[in-house]
Amino acid sequence: AQSVTQLDSHVSVSEGTPVLLRCNYSSSYSPSLFWYVQHPNKGLQLLLKYTSAATLVKGINGFEAEFKKSETSFHLTKPSAHMSDAAEYFCVVSDPGGGADGLTFGKGTHLIIQP
Amino acid sequence: KAGVTQTPRYLIKTRGQQVTLSCSPISGHRSVSWYQQTPGQGLQFLFEYFSETQRNKGNFPGRFSGRQFSNSRSEMNVSTLELGDSALYLCASSWNPSTGAEGGFFGQGTRLTVV
Repeated sequence: AQSVTQLDSHVSVSEGTPVLLRCNYSSSYSPSLFWYVQHPNKGLQLLLKYTSAATLVKGINGFEAEFKKSETSFHLTKPSAHMSDAAEYFCVVSDPGGGADGLTFGKGTHLIIQP
Repeated sequence: KAGVTQTPRYLIKTRGQQVTLSCSPISGHRSVSWYQQTPGQGLQFLFEYFSETQRNKGNFPGRFSGRQFSNSRSEMNVSTLELGDSALYLCASSWNPSTGAEGGFFGQGTRLTVV
């Protein structure tokens, strides 16, 4: 079975400061890992994905994440927050071979950007 | 290229009724997965279809069912609606039989309210 834990339900940062959203995972496989963003009343948008290539993954809108197998972590970072980054962020784990669990989502981290 | 289209966007139903939701994947995608999003349980995997066959199913009661047509469009049906079925239902599409390695592209969802 696979699972994912997002360590913070809410994160508040000031505009222009760095963002760190933390995620730990558990998987019996060599997992695929993703970060999705959901703006209010919108669907989910894929920010980035890790699929056993480079451990540092660059995504859209300046976000990146580093896969650390020894720490079972996949934290999301951005050097400088923008007001438009305010949204719900989901860390997701999956068996890349297509296991029975589909995509397993974390509970989400609500990112608040202070002006 | 059109994205994933879910219809209707909003639905209000009465307890005991049944409902059918529709998802049209991105052109060329043959896999469609369904997810339920609620404030309490977060995002949970319902089922996945590929080439008109259900490949995987999450831990939901038999009242939740789905199907996929030859053009890859998918429908999900919920019978004997309960108040707890109120949720945002999201559909994701991908090329391959599983969203595991790709993450999938999500629609904006159908907001179902059961009264």
